[in-house]
Amino acid sequence: DAGITQSPRHKVTETGTPVTLRCHQTENHRYMYWYRQDPGHGLRLIHYSYGVKDTDKGEVSDGYSVSRSKTEDFLLTLESATSSQTSVYFCAISDLLAGGPETQYFGPGTRLLVL
Amino acid sequence: GQNIDQPTEMTATEGAIVQINCTYQTSGFNGLFWYQQHAGEAPTFLSYNVLDGLEEKGRFSSFLSRSKGYSYLLLKELQMKDSASYLCAVSPGAGSYQLTFGKGTKLSVIP
Repeated sequence: DAGITQSPRHKVTETGTPVTLRCHQTENHRYMYWYRQDPGHGLRLIHYSYGVKDTDKGEVSDGYSVSRSKTEDFLLTLESATSSQTSVYFCAISDLLAGGPETQYFGPGTRLLVL
Repeated sequence: GQNIDQPTEMTATEGAIVQINCTYQTSGFNGLFWYQQHAGEAPTFLSYNVLDGLEEKGRFSSFLSRSKGYSYLLLKELQMKDSASYLCAVSPGAGSYQLTFGKGTKLSVIP
């Protein structure tokens, strides 16, 4: 258990509304990530953060923004939700494997439905 | 660019052995990871390879050939609870903690 929580766990919203998803971690990890997972596409990186106020884009960043004002929280915002953003969203952190590289551990996920 | 291929679905019998293959073409390589994901749950880390060869961990083993861009996950003594998706992921380069994931292989274990 990497101490990662996500909120909300489920959300239904309407097209055009803003949505913010929260990822919270309790173990002071520097790197945090947001992914979306869709059938036929697998896990795709949206944005990631390598420190407070340090973020960068991933493979599918259009329509999403992120913020990290403190180490423990990484927020993902859909400024104006669209039906194509219906997905399962996972947050992840990187942690160091004993004798190996950093690897990623995932939060429980948020299921988002945009109507 | 990054390209990771794995079979979409596989079926195997309880008690048997199954091998899930993964081939990759990436702009850099700093390790290959396997994750397990049960339906409706988050992916969980299974194994890591950075050097050629076999890494064994109980019933699960993972193999890597860097020259061939190839890995496999071997599951022995299959149990019903092994029914899940198995995700192959590559770390593209030193200093980068990003992972590129394949689309996953859904394994169904039947009695």
